[in-house]
Amino acid sequence: AQRVTQPEKLLSVFKGAPVELKCNYSYSGSPELFWYVQYSRQRLQLLLRHISRESIKGFTADLNKGETSFHLKKPFAQEEDSAMYYCALGSGGYNKLIFGAGTRLAVHP
Amino acid sequence: GAVVSQHPSWVICKSGTSVKIECRSLDFQATTMFWYRQFPKQSLMLMATSNEGSKATYEQGVEKDKFLINHASLTLSTLTVTSAHPEDSSFYICSARDRTSASYNEQFFGPGTRLTVL
Repeated sequence: AQRVTQPEKLLSVFKGAPVELKCNYSYSGSPELFWYVQYSRQRLQLLLRHISRESIKGFTADLNKGETSFHLKKPFAQEEDSAMYYCALGSGGYNKLIFGAGTRLAVHP
Repeated sequence: GAVVSQHPSWVICKSGTSVKIECRSLDFQATTMFWYRQFPKQSLMLMATSNEGSKATYEQGVEKDKFLINHASLTLSTLTVTSAHPEDSSFYICSARDRTSASYNEQFFGPGTRLTVL
């Protein structure tokens, strides 16, 4: 079964601390993984996609097929990073995105 | 970047009436659009996949006669909630896939429509 698991509902850190938002997936094919972010009262927007291997706003995520994980990391959190973060799995031929439950990141001053 | 709009942004209706929500891709063509439902503090739940010129594909448990989807053009999909009831109150979000995107699965999201059924 295709599934995305984000084990933490809330991650609370202080400004400047490292951040790791966990994401594990279950998928039998070749996965395409994304991180989406939803700031307060704003639409969902793409943060990262694993195929691009890019760093956006200081965030990176590496696909680990052995551990079936796609954790989101940032070495030094900023207050403006506070938002809901959703990990999503692209299910190939069906074009569907399967979303995790989301993790709320709260960065305190 | 690719922009998706939704109209209206919020709507209040009486129980038993029907409500239509529009989803438009403003600067790209979308052969596929998706409709999600999001409850407070919860994740997005996919309701249906809308393909231009063909019938929508509904997820298990979603009533197709209640949530009518029409994707008549490459830039417009509509969701009609028929005979709405208070339990249909929710945040409805659409997304679209850019047919020219290098990523087969990347979706661009609309701002959502808050539906309240009295």
